[in-house]
Amino acid sequence: GDSVTQMEGPVTLSEEAFLTINCTYTATGYPSLFWYVQYPGEGLQLLLKATKADDKGSNKGFEATYRKETTSFHLEKGSVQVSDSAVYFCAQIVNRDDKIIFGKGTRLHILP
Amino acid sequence: DAGVTQSPTHLIKTRGQQVTLRCSPKSGHDTVSWYQQALGQGPQFIFQYYEEEERQRGNFPDRFSGHQFPNYSSELNVNALLLGDSALYLCASSLGAPGGYTFGSGTRLTVV
Repeated sequence: GDSVTQMEGPVTLSEEAFLTINCTYTATGYPSLFWYVQYPGEGLQLLLKATKADDKGSNKGFEATYRKETTSFHLEKGSVQVSDSAVYFCAQIVNRDDKIIFGKGTRLHILP
Repeated sequence: DAGVTQSPTHLIKTRGQQVTLRCSPKSGHDTVSWYQQALGQGPQFIFQYYEEEERQRGNFPDRFSGHQFPNYSSELNVNALLLGDSALYLCASSLGAPGGYTFGSGTRLTVV
């Protein structure tokens, strides 16, 4: 069935380090892909999205490219900040208005 | 413009009891989806309501039921609570576009 797999955490980095969080998906159709972020005690916020192959989503210095050939949507940021500490969820929607399928989440700790 | 509002924010119930959670969607949104997020896991789709009807449902037992009102607000009801129902329950509203979901901050349900 349709699923999302992302690297397990926690991931601990020093401030200004380069970040990569891996995400791969399996889908019967042609999904839209997303990264959501959840700060402590809060709900989910959409970080970025991509709706077709080779699209690059970007926001707040984060970016991810929709790679159909490798079924991947890895999240990257060139220089992380302490304020980026949160849980990051990779997700997909296969059909318009369909349910969101989430990965298990990756907890990110940034040390000052 | 208010986003998605959920109430209550926290709730403690005893095993076997019933609970009702409430959600007011973002202004202009007509579709409400509910998700269950167990500790350390990604959110799991429960069901989605549109035009006061359950449009689709995830893999949850009939103990989980819902309702949507003419003003688009929604309720999630859980009967015969089990310890395993302890989780963060998230409501998301949308106006149809994939990825155009706005999440609330959730209701933290603890079953003792």
